[in-house]
Amino acid sequence: SQTIHQWPATLVQPVGSPLSLECTVEGTSNPNLYWYRQAAGRGLQLLFYSVGIGQISSEVPQNLSASRPQDRQFILSSKKLLLSDSGFYLCAWSGTVGQSTGELFFGEGSRLTVL
Amino acid sequence: GQNIDQPTEMTATEGAIVQINCTYQTSGFNGLFWYQQHAGEAPTFLSYNVLDGLEEKGRFSSFLSRSKGYSYLLLKELQMKDSASYLCAVRDSNYQLIWGAGTKLIIKP
Repeated sequence: SQTIHQWPATLVQPVGSPLSLECTVEGTSNPNLYWYRQAAGRGLQLLFYSVGIGQISSEVPQNLSASRPQDRQFILSSKKLLLSDSGFYLCAWSGTVGQSTGELFFGEGSRLTVL
Repeated sequence: GQNIDQPTEMTATEGAIVQINCTYQTSGFNGLFWYQQHAGEAPTFLSYNVLDGLEEKGRFSSFLSRSKGYSYLLLKELQMKDSASYLCAVRDSNYQLIWGAGTKLIIKP
């Protein structure tokens, strides 16, 4: 069966510090991968998605970046965090539409607080 | 613009039935999803509708009317563990998901 893991689960970082969140998927190959951010009381905001190794699409211009160095690994990074980067970050994967309904399966989430 | 509307919060009684509505205006339509999200946790997939009608899955059912841009999630025999936020999401013509802000459901004994 397929599983998805992301870490760390919780982190508190000072403004201006770097960030690295990592996500890995097991049990499937060539998944579509996503990074979302969820602010309190708000809907999910798509940050990045990837359909293959090295292929990253950015939905929101900001100081965050994403990379996909391996087929089942997705990394969210920042060189200098802002206060507005605080939130709940979710990694997700989906199969190819046509092979499945394309529903998303989410990792456990990473709660980031920038002070 | 693209828009998903759902009530911010609803309250229901344990053992009762509750219906959570979702209306949408999107650029095209390629399916509608419902997710459940407990506080502090990640969303989990509940249901998918792409054709008009009702999809039943145990205590949960989801209905879709594409002509009205409308869906609802029906929860029967409510249990305390059903207290959570319920997210409606529509896949548009570009196969991108548009998310509602979620409905927080509070179950009272």
